[in-house]
Amino acid sequence: EGQLVESGGGLVQPGGSLRLSCGASGFTFKNYWMHWVRQAPGKGLVWVSRINSDGSRTFYADSVKGRFTVSRDNAKNTLYLQMNSLRAEDTAVYYCAKEHGNTWYFVDWGQGALVTVSS
Amino acid sequence: DIQMTQSPSTLSASVGDRVTITCRASQSISNWLAWYQQKPGKAPKLLIYEASSLESGVPSRFSGSGSGTEFTLTISSLQPDDFATYYCQQYTSLWTFGQGTKVEIK
Repeated sequence: EGQLVESGGGLVQPGGSLRLSCGASGFTFKNYWMHWVRQAPGKGLVWVSRINSDGSRTFYADSVKGRFTVSRDNAKNTLYLQMNSLRAEDTAVYYCAKEHGNTWYFVDWGQGALVTVSS
Repeated sequence: DIQMTQSPSTLSASVGDRVTITCRASQSISNWLAWYQQKPGKAPKLLIYEASSLESGVPSRFSGSGSGTEFTLTISSLQPDDFATYYCQQYTSLWTFGQGTKVEIK
């Protein structure tokens, strides 16, 4: 069972940028597709982005396409989410999640990082 | 996009009760459905995948069924640790979660 630890959350003004990191341990990070999922305060889970194992293919929800960029450094066992042009509606806890090796559900989750977009 | 609709949104139950949560997809997703449990301030936890397969370590009182567009999560005998919010998720076309079902103490 792997461990995922997010960092980099905080308070940012509308229009600003922030980069989240997700450190992985306990499994061979480079072999797994990874995701970001967010949860606004008091709301449900919303899928944000997915990246394949070598970082060559990425997918985004329409709500963040063109503003967010997912990437990874397999040498550092770290997943990233670069968030630009942030809006109040991006305020949420952001979770990184590990996809099962053969199918697309999420087997492990980080503890989450809170991003607050406010002036 | 595939929409997922859970019912009910809130469920009040007692320890020992049999609890059933329903999840409906806006189009067929075969059996590509997972269920997660989330407690306040914690990350979601995988319970069920492929509609009816129990994740390792999850108590056998949890079970899932269904295919196509209609699915259910059943807790056969509700335990104190089971009071939480439950989400279904489809993973056949991108990823979409239901809005959640909160199981609270009656």
